[in-house]
Amino acid sequence: DGGITQSPKYLFRKEGQNVTLSCEQNLNHDAMYWYRQDPGQGLRLIYYSQIVNDFQKGDIAEGYSVSREKKESFPLTVTSAQKNPTAFYLCASITSPQGTEAFFGQGTRLTVV
Amino acid sequence: GENVEQHPSTLSVQEGDSAVIKCTYSDSASNYFPWYKQELGKRPQLIIDIRSNVGEKKDQRIAVTLNKTAKHFSLHITETQPEDSAVYFCAARPGGSYIPTFGRGTSLIVHP
Repeated sequence: DGGITQSPKYLFRKEGQNVTLSCEQNLNHDAMYWYRQDPGQGLRLIYYSQIVNDFQKGDIAEGYSVSREKKESFPLTVTSAQKNPTAFYLCASITSPQGTEAFFGQGTRLTVV
Repeated sequence: GENVEQHPSTLSVQEGDSAVIKCTYSDSASNYFPWYKQELGKRPQLIIDIRSNVGEKKDQRIAVTLNKTAKHFSLHITETQPEDSAVYFCAARPGGSYIPTFGRGTSLIVHP
C-alpha cells in the first residue's frame, strides 16, 4: 500500500503522557485530515489542513494538536488533556476541492494503559 | 455545517439477498457523495461515488441513487456475498470544500 502511511499501527500511552501519531503522504495532495473512529460513532473530524502552515479545528479538537510544516506530513499529538484518547485514528488526504476520493492511511490504534 | 444521518446501523442479510443503506444530508450545497467500505482492521476505501448532477450510478453489483430534492442517497448491493461483510460509510461534501462529513456507518453482515 503506497500513498498515505500512518505509524505506528499500535500505540500504548500511559496516563498523563503526550503521544504523536505520524501521517505521511506522497500523493502531492493539498488537504490532509485526522479522524477519530469509535464504535458506533463513525468518523469524527479532529483537525484538517488545506495548505502548508495552516490548519483548522474540526468537531472534536480538544486535547489534540497538529502541525503542517511540510505538504507531505501532518502529525497529530494526543495530549494529556484528552480525557478519553483510546480510539482508532485515521489520517486521510484529498487532492483538491474538485478532487474526489479521500485516501486513508491504515490507521493507528491508541490505547491508554 | 453539514449533517449526515445513516441507517441502519446494523444490517444482517443472507448470501444472495440485496442490501440497502440509506443516508440523508442537510446542506443543499453538497454536491459530492462517496461511499466507503471498511473491512475489519483496515482502512476505509472508496467503492462508489455520485455527483449531484447524476441520479444513479452503477458498478457491477453496487449502485448508488441520489434524490437531491429530498436530500437523500442510498447504496444498493445486489447478490450479496460473505466478502461484502464490512462497515459502510456514506459521506457528503459541499462544493468547494475539502471536508467530507461522514455518516456513523452501517455494519453489514452477510451470512453464508
